[in-house]
Amino acid sequence: NAGVMQNPRHLVRRRGQEARLRCSPMKGHSHVYWYRQLPEEGLKFMVYLQKENIIDESGMPKERFSAEFPKEGPSILRIQQVVRGDSAAYFCASSPRGQNTDTQYFGPGTRLTVL
Amino acid sequence: KNEVEQSPQNLTAQEGEFITINCSYSVGISALHWLQQHPGGGIVSLFMLSSGKKKHGRLIATINIQEKHSSLHITASHPRDSAVYICAVYFGNEKLTFGTGTRLTIIP
Repeated sequence: NAGVMQNPRHLVRRRGQEARLRCSPMKGHSHVYWYRQLPEEGLKFMVYLQKENIIDESGMPKERFSAEFPKEGPSILRIQQVVRGDSAAYFCASSPRGQNTDTQYFGPGTRLTVL
Repeated sequence: KNEVEQSPQNLTAQEGEFITINCSYSVGISALHWLQQHPGGGIVSLFMLSSGKKKHGRLIATINIQEKHSSLHITASHPRDSAVYICAVYFGNEKLTFGTGTRLTIIP
């Protein structure tokens, strides 16, 4: 029973390039959350998705960032025209029902470095 | 404003000591997570609780809803417990708000 999977684990991009981060939730989980951890800072909520729906994107920067969770395949966090300030660890988590009494299971994270 | 505060920020102790990490939050919550982030960066959910007390091995988590406070205790601490411990709460919705974490170092 595989846990939450994220790939790549490490991603290096030059300024202006695009970054695509993937998250496959645990089997049977249809709710996905993305979080960002800037260097030496705490985790911050970015977006909450269900299959084919964005439920809450209040933590997403208004520009360059987008997320999707299609009917088939992993959830994707996309960052266009990356800047140095996007360098961070991006974690996704999944839960079975999306309720605030559910445990969230975290993936290993993707560490993005922007040169 | 919905806020989560942890104390201490850093904690160094000798192997075997009893450890307590505290978490306070500003308004009522529906549930609270304690998470462990390993030196390699991975995050593990230790407990989720909305009332009372939970125990798993050497770890104990308690929550006092009236006082808006939770504690994580580690008994007979071991160097492998060295990690960052993070408190995260649901302020009534589905997204977690995180504390800044407590960096624990256990010296052999």
